[in-house]
Amino acid sequence: GQNIDQPTEMTATEGAIVQINCTYQTSGFNGLFWYQQHAGEAPTFLSYNVLDGLEEKGRFSSFLSRSKGYSYLLLKELQMKDSASYLCALLDSNYQLIWGAGTKLIIKP
Amino acid sequence: GAVVSQHPSWVICKSGTSVKIECRSLDFQATTMFWYRQFPKQSLMLMATSNEGSKATYEQGVEKDKFLINHASLTLSTLTVTSAHPEDSSFYICSARDSLAGDADEQYFGPGTRLTVT
Repeated sequence: GQNIDQPTEMTATEGAIVQINCTYQTSGFNGLFWYQQHAGEAPTFLSYNVLDGLEEKGRFSSFLSRSKGYSYLLLKELQMKDSASYLCALLDSNYQLIWGAGTKLIIKP
Repeated sequence: GAVVSQHPSWVICKSGTSVKIECRSLDFQATTMFWYRQFPKQSLMLMATSNEGSKATYEQGVEKDKFLINHASLTLSTLTVTSAHPEDSSFYICSARDSLAGDADEQYFGPGTRLTVT
């Protein structure tokens, strides 16, 4: 079967750095996505990892270790607008997205 | 970038009526579109995979006779919620995969449709 775990909620301070972890178990793997979702809106794409390592894109970076079934999303120089839910999603062997429950990130001044 | 639109963005209907939601890929062709439902404070739940020119594939627990999906062209999929009930009130989101993109794994999301059944 497939299973994705990520923390339910995290709190961080404006200007700081936060790391949101995602662990998964799957029999088939074709990549891992991170999406950002503000309340009442559809998800927006942040990153895609299919090979091990770190992908950097501005203030956001995503890391993948396939052998450990582990990924994280790193957000630097946090801004108040980064307050949102962050969804980890696994692309399975059938190229369907399996979604984590999301991590609600609260940014405090 | 690839753009997906949904119409309407929000709708209020009476219990027992049917509602049709459209999902369009505006600047690319999508042989596969996905329909999701999201209840408040919950993650997206895949309802069905819509394939152009063939029947949709429904996830376990999703009633195919209640949620009718039609993917008649490479740029349009529709979801019809038939005989809607208050428990069908939710945020419905579609996504589409670009058929011709080299890296065809990314799904592009529509803005969502908020359905309220009274």
